[in-house]
Amino acid sequence: NAGVTQTPKFRILKIGQSMTLQCTQDMNHNYMYWYRQDPGMGLKLIYYSVGAGITDKGEVPNGYNVSRSTTEDFPLRLELAAPSQTSVYFCASSGGAHYNEQFFGPGTRLTVL
Amino acid sequence: QQQVKQSPQSLIVQKGGISIINCAYENTAFDYFPWYQQFPGKGPALLIAIRPDVSEKKEGRFTISFNKSAKQFSLHIMDSQPGDSATYFCAALRSGSARQLTFGSGTQLTVLP
Repeated sequence: NAGVTQTPKFRILKIGQSMTLQCTQDMNHNYMYWYRQDPGMGLKLIYYSVGAGITDKGEVPNGYNVSRSTTEDFPLRLELAAPSQTSVYFCASSGGAHYNEQFFGPGTRLTVL
Repeated sequence: QQQVKQSPQSLIVQKGGISIINCAYENTAFDYFPWYQQFPGKGPALLIAIRPDVSEKKEGRFTISFNKSAKQFSLHIMDSQPGDSATYFCAALRSGSARQLTFGSGTQLTVLP
């Protein structure tokens, strides 16, 4: 199993540009999450999904959108990128026997200039 | 509102020493308390977790101490090794909340050889 994979690893955007961060998991987990990590701030939940077709806002959803058309994929869309969105983004999933454990991807480092 | 407070922000320990990281929470509905370990350039990974019906859980050199009345829990790393150098996050989860984790702000541990 590859676990949780994220692409791209790094990206530089200009202010106002848009992009989609990809996240795929092969563990058949129902729950998926997007976090952003800023220095000294821990991880903040952006959006989450409890299953295909079901998504909801987390703590910091402004400026982002998500969709969940399949169990495996949970892309995060940034519209009109702003410098405040410079961060490291992590996707995670949970489910199965260890239902409280979240498995994290390797992250995407995004810089908005 | 920060619901999980973590201290210290950084910690330097000599090889063989004991590393102690503390967390406090506010929401008494939390019922699962994991610790995640994150190495540079990687996503966080579950290290050890505890439920509030026990006061201590030990796995190898890692121990969680839990004080329900004080709403505090801590991670103890015995015989700390340079390979333990990483960022540690405490977190808390409330069952029925789509398994959303609330993270502390993180502690950067450095173990000197």
